Amino acid sequence: GENVEQHPSTLSVQEGDSAVIKCTYSDSASNYFPWYKQELGKGPQLIIDIRSNVGEKKDQRIAVTLNKTAKHFSLHITETQPEDSAVYFCAASLSGYSTLTFGKGTMLLVSP
Amino acid sequence: GAGVSQSPSNKVTEKGKDVELRCDPISGHTALYWYRQSLGQGLEFLIYFQGNSAPDKSGLPSDRFSAERTGGSVSTLTIQRTQQEDSAVYLCASSSEGVYEQYFGPGTRLTVT
Repeated sequence: GENVEQHPSTLSVQEGDSAVIKCTYSDSASNYFPWYKQELGKGPQLIIDIRSNVGEKKDQRIAVTLNKTAKHFSLHITETQPEDSAVYFCAASLSGYSTLTFGKGTMLLVSP
Repeated sequence: GAGVSQSPSNKVTEKGKDVELRCDPISGHTALYWYRQSLGQGLEFLIYFQGNSAPDKSGLPSDRFSAERTGGSVSTLTIQRTQQEDSAVYLCASSSEGVYEQYFGPGTRLTVT
């Protein structure tokens, strides 16, 4: 089955810096890659996603890039703010209607 | 509109007791998923419903775990004879027909003492 590896497990940055979280996946048939943000005591919130026919997608301060050849995708957050502090999860699925396989998460801490 | 809701938000039970966890998906969403999140771990898939049927139950860890969905809406996850290793946050997600995005509820934190 699919296996998703996520790095780093923790990331500390200063407010205003950029943050990058990277994930690799094992199944070349995977074609949908969402990113979730989870704040303490809450459920994961979908923040951005990308499909395999696209190499990059941006939404204001966040962007995701996908390299299908290398089987890796990354989340980029620019101009980080303290409210960006949370655990971020990447995931992959074989289609939009199948289950998600998640990475183990990255705890992002943005210091003022 | 209303998101995915789950109840109870917290559940403490004694080892050996049965528990039922409830999920109300977003209205009109045909797909429903259960995941489990153990302390410091990622999310682990348990079961997937399309309508009332469960085409993928591969993530259920043992036969003590079961789930059902009625009326294409509410789903109940049942854990029989709970064990301490069942302690986790149980998350439910739903998605609409023909749409990739899964939306999660706030979860039920289960503690088995």
